[in-house]
Amino acid sequence: EVQLVESGGGLVKPGGSLRLSCAASGFTFSSYSMNWVRQAPGKGLEWVSSISSSSSYIYYADSVKGRFTISRDNAKNSLYLQMNSLRAEDTAVYYCARDQGYRGVGSGGREYYFDYWGQGTLVTVSS
Amino acid sequence: SYELTQPLSVSVALGQTARITCGGNNIGSKNVHWYQQKPGQAPVLVIYRDSNRPSGIPERFSGSNSGNTATLTISRAQAGDEADYYCQVWDSSTARVFGGGTKLTVL
Repeated sequence: EVQLVESGGGLVKPGGSLRLSCAASGFTFSSYSMNWVRQAPGKGLEWVSSISSSSSYIYYADSVKGRFTISRDNAKNSLYLQMNSLRAEDTAVYYCARDQGYRGVGSGGREYYFDYWGQGTLVTVSS
Repeated sequence: SYELTQPLSVSVALGQTARITCGGNNIGSKNVHWYQQKPGQAPVLVIYRDSNRPSGIPERFSGSNSGNTATLTISRAQAGDEADYYCQVWDSSTARVFGGGTKLTVL
C-alpha cells in the first residue's frame, strides 16, 4: 500500500524558516517524481514544487521561487521542502504527492497527474 | 499561463446525476484529471486522463472532455459524494494547473 506521511509543520514567524519532510513507503520511491502541493485555509489547491526521480529536474511555482528548495533522499525514501523567508501567505496545509507520468496526446511529451497524496502538514506563518 | 474555470458550487438531489464542469481554452486537446477532497482530508484521484477511473473508484464516476469543457459526471449521487472537486491539467508553460474547485452539495 502506498503511504506518504508528511511532518515538520508548525507555527513560524514571518521571515522564518521551516523544513518539511515526507516519508514514502509501499512503492519504489526512486522511480517516481514527487511534488509538494499546498492549500491555504478555505482555498483551492496550488502546486508548489516538483522533483524528478533522480533530482535532475526541479521546478517551482513563481510564488515560492528563490525561497523554497525541494530535495529528496532516495536511500531514505524521503522528500523534503526547505522553506525560507516565510510570509503570511505561505500559511497552508502542505501535501506531498506522487507523480504519475504518461505520454501526452496533444504534446507528445511527458505529462503528469498526482496519483497518491499524503495527509498533509499545516504550516502557519504568523507573528 | 493556462487557466481552468470551475463553478464554485453544484447541487444535486440524492440519487440524481451531478455534472461538474472545467473550462479552458481548447481543453479538449489536453488530458484532464479530477480529484475529490472531503472536509479535513487529502485529495483523492477519481478520474485520470479524461475518463479513466483508478481502482477503488465507483463506476458512478465518469469523465469526458471536448472542445473547451471537461466534465466530471457523478451518477446516482450519494451523501458520501459531498466534497470539493478539482480538475487539473498539464500545460507546457505552467506545468501542473488546478481549477479553482467546485463544492458539490447533495440535497
